[in-house]
Amino acid sequence: AQKVTQAQTEISVVEKEDVTLDCVYETRDTTYYLFWYKQPPSGELVFLIRRNSFDEQNEISGRYSWNFQKSTSSFNFTITASQVVDSAVYFCALSEAIAGGTSYGKLTFGQGTILTVHP
Amino acid sequence: GAGVSQSPSNKVTEKGKDVELRCDPISGHTALYWYRQSLGQGLEFLIYFQGNSAPDKSGLPSDRFSAERTGGSVSTLTIQRTQQEDSAVYLCASSTLAEPTYEQYFGPGTRLTVT
Repeated sequence: AQKVTQAQTEISVVEKEDVTLDCVYETRDTTYYLFWYKQPPSGELVFLIRRNSFDEQNEISGRYSWNFQKSTSSFNFTITASQVVDSAVYFCALSEAIAGGTSYGKLTFGQGTILTVHP
Repeated sequence: GAGVSQSPSNKVTEKGKDVELRCDPISGHTALYWYRQSLGQGLEFLIYFQGNSAPDKSGLPSDRFSAERTGGSVSTLTIQRTQQEDSAVYLCASSTLAEPTYEQYFGPGTRLTVT
């Protein structure tokens, strides 16, 4: 069975601080996909990134960066120079591949981390 | 519209009544998912549709829950004889399942309150 753990329930930072959100996952599959979603106060889940299990390269997108380490089953998310608009609930999620390497996308979510950025 | 839409946005119902929640996916998206977000359980998968078929219903919590999809588009999630523990936000998502993006686009959700 697959499982995603986000150990940090809530994080509070002051604007311009860097913050890292942790995500640890469990899966028996060798092919899988990892995601981060943002849920702002409006409630709609917003896709941030997808990473497949074959690609361990870190990724940077503006102030966001992701560190995927297969050896520790972690997929951590860092926001550099945080802003008030980054305040949201952030979810890490896992999707396993079915035979043949494709996946129909059923997501298993972590419990979410509530990030509050104070001005 | 360009995104996934859901209706109603809010629904308050009395215990024991049936409710129907609607999802309009993004046009052309063949995959459709229902999830439930509640305080105690977080975000849980309910059911997956590929076209009009539901190959994975494993997340439906009881036989009071059912869903259908017609025309490869609109989906309806029905909860019969609602219970207070059904109170949650029900989220719908759609996807093309196309590489390389392969992301699910979520709707705004329906907040269900059972009194």
